[in-house]
Amino acid sequence: DTEVTQTPKHLVMGMTNKKSLKCEQHMGHRAMYWYKQKAKKPPELMFVYSYEKLSINESVPSRFSPECPNSSLLNLHLHALQPEDSALYLCASSGGTATNEKLFFGSGTQLSVL
Amino acid sequence: QQQVKQSPQSLIVQKGGISIINCAYENTAFDYFPWYQQFPGKGPALLIAIRPDVSEKKEGRFTISFNKSAKQFSLHIMDSQPGDSATYFCAASWNSNYQLIWGAGTKLIIKP
Repeated sequence: DTEVTQTPKHLVMGMTNKKSLKCEQHMGHRAMYWYKQKAKKPPELMFVYSYEKLSINESVPSRFSPECPNSSLLNLHLHALQPEDSALYLCASSGGTATNEKLFFGSGTQLSVL
Repeated sequence: QQQVKQSPQSLIVQKGGISIINCAYENTAFDYFPWYQQFPGKGPALLIAIRPDVSEKKEGRFTISFNKSAKQFSLHIMDSQPGDSATYFCAASWNSNYQLIWGAGTKLIIKP
């Protein structure tokens, strides 16, 4: 199984809502990532988990809260988002540690904030 | 210094032709140069990658050419097919760093 599965595929939320994005992989990868991608732009790194510990937070606003319940799962909790947070949110995983080599991306969650 | 400049922004190629996308960088510490392919509604997928100790790497119809002295690398797609129509991103990083420096992307359209 070489897939990274993300749910939901689409999400519409108001600025006062709380929602969560979910990501799952069963490749035994010990590094997992959250990226944000705006239309026609490259992905921007948000968070990196290595061996279930948060190792990188790229100065992301606190309205985004990541969680890694176990080595296969990654969540992104959303609260009080702004319309400019509307984007494609991508989960990725890689090998044994947080490395740039061979990232496996999910298909993403297309988020719209109204 | 941390930028990777990618060109062209968009490219239209006839079926069977050669597609060429170029990237340039400044940081000589970069030691890993991947290319990612992204279809609409999907996440990026690693296509091919190269390290600066070789000048060329080929995988099927896809070739990376690397010019260390010019600090440039390019992706060549031979015998381009409509199924190759996608957005292509070059990237660079150093020392197995988690952070990839991405190019701006090239939207490739292959005309039947």
